[in-house]
Amino acid sequence: AQRVTQPEKLLSVFKGAPVELKCNYSYSGSPELFWYVQYSRQRLQLLLRHISRESIKGFTADLNKGETSFHLKKPFAQEEDSAMYYCALKNAGGTSYGKLTFGQGTILTVHP
Amino acid sequence: NAGVTQTPKFQVLKTGQSMTLQCAQDMNHEYMSWYRQDPGMGLRLIHYSVGAGITDQGEVPNGYNVSRSTTEDFPLRLLSAAPSQTSVYFCASSTQGLLGKLFFGSGTQLSVL
Repeated sequence: AQRVTQPEKLLSVFKGAPVELKCNYSYSGSPELFWYVQYSRQRLQLLLRHISRESIKGFTADLNKGETSFHLKKPFAQEEDSAMYYCALKNAGGTSYGKLTFGQGTILTVHP
Repeated sequence: NAGVTQTPKFQVLKTGQSMTLQCAQDMNHEYMSWYRQDPGMGLRLIHYSVGAGITDQGEVPNGYNVSRSTTEDFPLRLLSAAPSQTSVYFCASSTQGLLGKLFFGSGTQLSVL
């Protein structure tokens, strides 16, 4: 069975410090991974996906198949980055683009 | 453009009561899904649909029922509410071309007493 694990429930950093949110997955096939973010009083939204190899709001995430990880990183955290972050894995199957397996979530707090 | 609309935003039920959480999207997305969000558990898939007339169970389907009579609507029915169903419920929609990007509703906070 596929699984996504985010080992940190809470993560606190100071403004300007580097931040890394950890995500590990277990999946037998070729994974498609995502990071979703939920800011206070806003809807859950896509932050980035590994197939796009993009940097959004200064965040990047690299898929490491050897370590089965997809950690989210930002070199200089900002207060507006404070939010709940979810790592997610697309389920196997061609009709599964709406069907993701989510991790437990990490609440990031960036202190001034 | 409303996106994904969920109603109600808040609901309190007594054990044993039934109710329907509404979800509608105006983006002509074929995929729609329901998740529940619980502390320490993340989001878990309840039910899923790949188009009108087609639904499938997710990870935690027990106690919930769905139907998809139109592309736009995907209601979630609680048949006999239990305290274990106290949670925040999110509806989401997507289409194949979005490659895994889900559009979420604003959520329904449900308490079962």
